Amino acid sequence: NAGVTQTPKFRILKIGQSMTLQCTQDMNHNYMYWYRQDPGMGLKLIYYSVGAGITDKGEVPNGYNVSRSTTEDFPLRLELAAPSQTSVYFCASSGISGGRSSYEQYFGPGTRLTVT
Amino acid sequence: KQEVTQIPAALSVPEGENLVLNCSFTDSAIYNLQWFRQDPGKGLTSLLLIQSSQREQTSGRLNASLDKSSGRSTLYIAASQPGDSATYLCAVSRYSSASKIIFGSGTRLSIRP
Repeated sequence: NAGVTQTPKFRILKIGQSMTLQCTQDMNHNYMYWYRQDPGMGLKLIYYSVGAGITDKGEVPNGYNVSRSTTEDFPLRLELAAPSQTSVYFCASSGISGGRSSYEQYFGPGTRLTVT
Repeated sequence: KQEVTQIPAALSVPEGENLVLNCSFTDSAIYNLQWFRQDPGKGLTSLLLIQSSQREQTSGRLNASLDKSSGRSTLYIAASQPGDSATYLCAVSRYSSASKIIFGSGTRLSIRP
């Protein structure tokens, strides 16, 4: 049981380039989330999904897109990278697993993205 | 609009002390509150989750309390150890809806040997 995995761990993009951040969970969670964390700040929700085929915007969705074709995968797409998107990106999932409380969030290790 | 505040932003205490971390929120209509630990360069690890109907949760040396009416939660760490050094974040959710999860900016805790 790997939990939530993210790739890549690090990436440097030039302004205007595109990329996809991958996220996979093996806990059969229905909820998945993408957050960004800027230095010294808390996390801000970018997009979330309540199940395969269903996604919705969070607090800071501009410049990003997501899809959820399966329960396990929730990729985040940056179409035209901008310096303001330099941040650490975390994927998380929640649901009922192992008998623990529902909606407890489990996080991946993060992707550190720099746009120059 | 829900706002979550954690004060102080940083705290340094000697090993062995008991300590309390604070989290306050402006809207008492929450579904649950979760405390996380974040080590440098790492993701977040869930420590404790308190449902809105609960007053506290305990796990080992950690005890989290919730007072919805005053908009406050505390994380109590007993007999602190250098391994407890990390940033501690709290997050509240308005409903079970994923869109209403708001994080505080965290307290960076340093335990001096």
